[in-house]
Amino acid sequence: NAGVTQTPKFRVLKTGQSMTLLCAQDMNHEYMYWYRQDPGMGLRLIHYSVGEGTTAKGEVPDGYNVSRLKKQNFLLGLESAAPSQTSVYFCASRQGFLNTEAFFGQGTRLTVV
Amino acid sequence: AQSVTQPDIHITVSEGASLELRCNYSYGATPYLFWYVQSPGQGLQLLLKYFSGDTLVQGIKGFEAEFKRSQSSFNLRKPSVHWSDAAEYFCAVGAGNAGKSTFGDGTTLTVKP
Repeated sequence: NAGVTQTPKFRVLKTGQSMTLLCAQDMNHEYMYWYRQDPGMGLRLIHYSVGEGTTAKGEVPDGYNVSRLKKQNFLLGLESAAPSQTSVYFCASRQGFLNTEAFFGQGTRLTVV
Repeated sequence: AQSVTQPDIHITVSEGASLELRCNYSYGATPYLFWYVQSPGQGLQLLLKYFSGDTLVQGIKGFEAEFKRSQSSFNLRKPSVHWSDAAEYFCAVGAGNAGKSTFGDGTTLTVKP
């Protein structure tokens, strides 16, 4: 049982380059989330989705775009990477009810030079 | 707006000693509260959660947490710490139909032999 899988696990980008992070879940969850984790700052919500074809902004959405074309996939895009986007990115999903736990991927470590 | 404070950035305890990690939250209604653990290089794993009912909740790996509404706290405890408990611990409060959780900044636990 794969759970939540993030691709890639590591990436180094040059400033101005673009890339897409893929999150895939096999639990038929409705809700999916993208967080970034920076030292001493916990997790901050970038964007989220409450179902296929829907997306919404979180706490720190600037510089990122997302798409949820299929229920099982949630893509996070960086159109023009900046050093401030160096971070560890986590995807999470939950069944769709408030009181269910979120399942997290193992993270993508992104460095922008 | 909801918020979570974890006052202790770093805690060191000896193996076999008891542990208490503090969490204070701010939320206007009955909160949905979570504790997650993150081992190095891994995603977050749910330890326990509180939604209603008994204010003392049991979780995995021998952890428990007590909800105290009067103190707006949800402290995590373990009677005897094992070396494998060394990790980062996050408290989170969830709210809203989208199940968005707000995370604290985390507490890093070091276990001395």
